[in-house]
Amino acid sequence: DIQMTQSPSTLSASVGDRVTITCRASQSISKWLAWYQQKPGKAPTLLIYGASSLESGVPSRFSGSGSGTEFTLTISSLHPDDFATYHCQQYDALPLTFGGGTKVEIK
Amino acid sequence: EVQLVESGGGLVQPGRSLRLSCTASGFSFGDYAMNWVRQAPGKGLEWVALIRSKAYGGTTEYAASVKGRFSITRDDSKNFAYLQVNSLKTEDTAVYYCTRVRLGCGGGSCYSDSWGQGTLVTVSS
Repeated sequence: DIQMTQSPSTLSASVGDRVTITCRASQSISKWLAWYQQKPGKAPTLLIYGASSLESGVPSRFSGSGSGTEFTLTISSLHPDDFATYHCQQYDALPLTFGGGTKVEIK
Repeated sequence: EVQLVESGGGLVQPGRSLRLSCTASGFSFGDYAMNWVRQAPGKGLEWVALIRSKAYGGTTEYAASVKGRFSITRDDSKNFAYLQVNSLKTEDTAVYYCTRVRLGCGGGSCYSDSWGQGTLVTVSS
């Protein structure tokens, strides 16, 4: 199975900050990576697919980059609505696997 | 509007069974592969099972942790996906989400572009 490792597990930031979350795969997954946002008590929602393609309706302050084994999710300027947990997921091969999540909390 | 609504969760004793249901609306259900993904309390996401569309044979895949105990099925005439969960263990306690696989991903190894609100399964004596 492909292991996905996210860092950090928790991130404290302020409104307006630039935030970067890293996701590493245990083997190359090309560009087959998605990012999701999850708010407390809610289901995840898709932000990014194909490592860097923005899902329709997602604000442009979100961006993704990377290929192979190392990927990043960047929020260019943190909005109050962005305090949430972010999950990466590889879809290069079954079983689909997720990172452990990164909680972005208010500093 | 795409909607996925799960039901069937609850409190169940170890070793017992449940059938989780997912009703879909707002899209051509039969064209899509569907997943079940779960999340234990305070933990990350874990993929559980996949069922491909009839165009891809309607075949199924399972996580090793549930293979042989869980069964995913679909009824395209009713726009339903199901997860039969048998021989439940305490470690199966989680919110179970039904998700839609992005169309065009071929065999189904893909990301989810829509998620239901989830149904909580609690396994405890």
